[in-house]
Amino acid sequence: NAGVTQTPKFQVLKTGQSMTLQCAQDMNHNSMYWYRQDPGMGLRLIYYSASEGTTDKGEVPNGYNVSRLNKREFSLRLESAAPSQTSVYFCASSEVPAFQGTEAFFGQGTRLTVV
Amino acid sequence: KNQVEQSPQSLIILEGKNCTLQCNYTVSPFSNLRWYKQDTGRGPVSLTIMTFSENTKSNGRYTATLDADTKQSSLHITASQLSDSASYICVVRDSNDYKLSFGAGTTVTVRA
Repeated sequence: NAGVTQTPKFQVLKTGQSMTLQCAQDMNHNSMYWYRQDPGMGLRLIYYSASEGTTDKGEVPNGYNVSRLNKREFSLRLESAAPSQTSVYFCASSEVPAFQGTEAFFGQGTRLTVV
Repeated sequence: KNQVEQSPQSLIILEGKNCTLQCNYTVSPFSNLRWYKQDTGRGPVSLTIMTFSENTKSNGRYTATLDADTKQSSLHITASQLSDSASYICVVRDSNDYKLSFGAGTTVTVRA
């Protein structure tokens, strides 16, 4: 039971570099999300995809782009990394949008450091 | 702005003892509240969900309470085990917005 799989688990970038965080789920969920988790703060929504073919901005979208490649995969791209993007990134999925009350299932996270 | 405040920020308890975590929220209109457990280096996992009409719900040694009038919830851990060492996150959903409001979490350390 893989659930939600994120790659990579760890990454160090230099300021200005770009990278893509990958996420795949095998639960046939319609909705997928990207969150960031910073010390002393709750998880904050970056982008979400309520269903295949749609994406929407969350609370903190600046500096990020996303692609819902298919029903299983949802990637997060940093075009020009900044130290403020140092964080732990979590991908999550749910059967229907989590704001309808269904449980979100989270991946293990990607710890990103931008130097 | 919807807010979720958790207390304490962290606590240490001896194995076998009980503890209670608090969650206060300002989210309105309220829809439901979830407690998640996040082990170190892992993603959060749901423990329980509380809706407006529910006051108490148990999941094994975890018991959640909700007072929708005072906008408070608690998570009680009974007879703690070493595996209970984790961060516990309170998440509140409102009826209007797409966004879930996450608390910063309470870090629980259980010592033998």
